[in-house]
Amino acid sequence: EVQLVQSGAEVKKPGESLRISCKDLGDDFTTYWIGWVRQMPGKGLEWMGIIFPDDSDTRYNPSFEGQITISADKSISTAYLQLSSLKASDTAMYYCAKQKDGSGLFDYWGQGTLVTVSS
Amino acid sequence: AIQMTQSPSSLSASVGDRVTITCRASQGIRNYLGWYQQKPGKAPKLLIYAASRLQSGVPSRFSGSGSGTDFTLTISSLQPEDFATYYCLQDDNFPRTFGQGTKVEIK
Repeated sequence: EVQLVQSGAEVKKPGESLRISCKDLGDDFTTYWIGWVRQMPGKGLEWMGIIFPDDSDTRYNPSFEGQITISADKSISTAYLQLSSLKASDTAMYYCAKQKDGSGLFDYWGQGTLVTVSS
Repeated sequence: AIQMTQSPSSLSASVGDRVTITCRASQGIRNYLGWYQQKPGKAPKLLIYAASRLQSGVPSRFSGSGSGTDFTLTISSLQPEDFATYYCLQDDNFPRTFGQGTKVEIK
């Protein structure tokens, strides 16, 4: 069974970088796409990008390209979201999620990682 | 990117009401659409995939319909646990795009 566990909440200063992790406690990590979704405070969901951990094939939302890096380490069943040159506007909840078989939708989600960027 | 427009942005309803939420795509997306429910402080939950297929474990009072550009999520008899925000998501093209959400509140 898929169980995605994300790293804990972070508080960062503007200009800093951050890497959030998402570990699958199940055993099929290399057989599905993992994606990331942002939710700014009080706002809707934004699809950021996805990765196929087996070969690291990655697709980004152009709205986030250049600001994020999605990666994965299949040896430890963990996906990562790196945020660079953080701004206050990066303050948000970030979710990882597994893509459903045969679909581009997400069916299993992590618990979310709250990132706060403040000077 | 495909724009997904949901309506209404919010609605007030009573327990037992029939509720309908619509999602319109800026271009045809065949049946590549899903619906999610999100409660405060929680991750979204997939309700409907392929526009009309009920995700495993989701109550049958939820249903989806539509194809092309116009889609509908219907809750046949609203229950107390259904008060939440609902989002559509298209998975036909990259980047995937969500609707802006519909908040279902208690009347």
